[in-house]
Amino acid sequence: KAGVTQTPRYLIKTRGQQVTLSCSPISGHRSVSWYQQTPGQGLQFLFEYFSETQRNKGNFPGRFSGRQFSNSRSEMNVSTLELGDSALYLCASSLGIDRVNYGYTFGSGTRLTVV
Amino acid sequence: AQSVTQPDIHITVSEGASLELRCNYSYGATPYLFWYVQSPGQGLQLLLKYFSGDTLVQGIKGFEAEFKRSQSSFNLRKPSVHWSDAAEYFCAVDGSNYQLIWGAGTKLIIKP
Repeated sequence: KAGVTQTPRYLIKTRGQQVTLSCSPISGHRSVSWYQQTPGQGLQFLFEYFSETQRNKGNFPGRFSGRQFSNSRSEMNVSTLELGDSALYLCASSLGIDRVNYGYTFGSGTRLTVV
Repeated sequence: AQSVTQPDIHITVSEGASLELRCNYSYGATPYLFWYVQSPGQGLQLLLKYFSGDTLVQGIKGFEAEFKRSQSSFNLRKPSVHWSDAAEYFCAVDGSNYQLIWGAGTKLIIKP
């Protein structure tokens, strides 16, 4: 079955602009999580959605937002981009129903560069 | 606070030699633990996970990990590495509230 699909793979934006990243989870998975990966801070949790509801949010400013649609696809948005937002943004999907025996499957990520 | 420590930033191993990557965690309850691998420019691939039961867990690509509660460790091992194993390896614990808490990663370099 198809894996987790993230689009676009690469993105270059200018400071002050906004950006939307997309994630399509594995079919049947209802949970989507987002992570930011940078060389300095490593992997940091952004937020998690399950059945269109945000269940948890990481310690990021309000410029970072997300949503999940009824088909479980998710988008994240970053407004007023800063240079420090340059990162690899990873999406992970899981069944999300039972913590035991579920695992997270990651997409290949979107590489965002802010200039 | 929940945390994961991978004490080795880089490890260099000769091809064919054995490998052990260290991971220590801090978590109050029974931890759910993971090892992921990331090739350059790629996403994260799950190698193995531990939820309960047998403390020696087998994963893909010939990797295994041993959970030791007394040492709060979940070290990853492979008896004989291949050049294709060169990558970055991340240990993670499933924290509360549907998030993974990550170690800083260990970059594995394979000497021919």
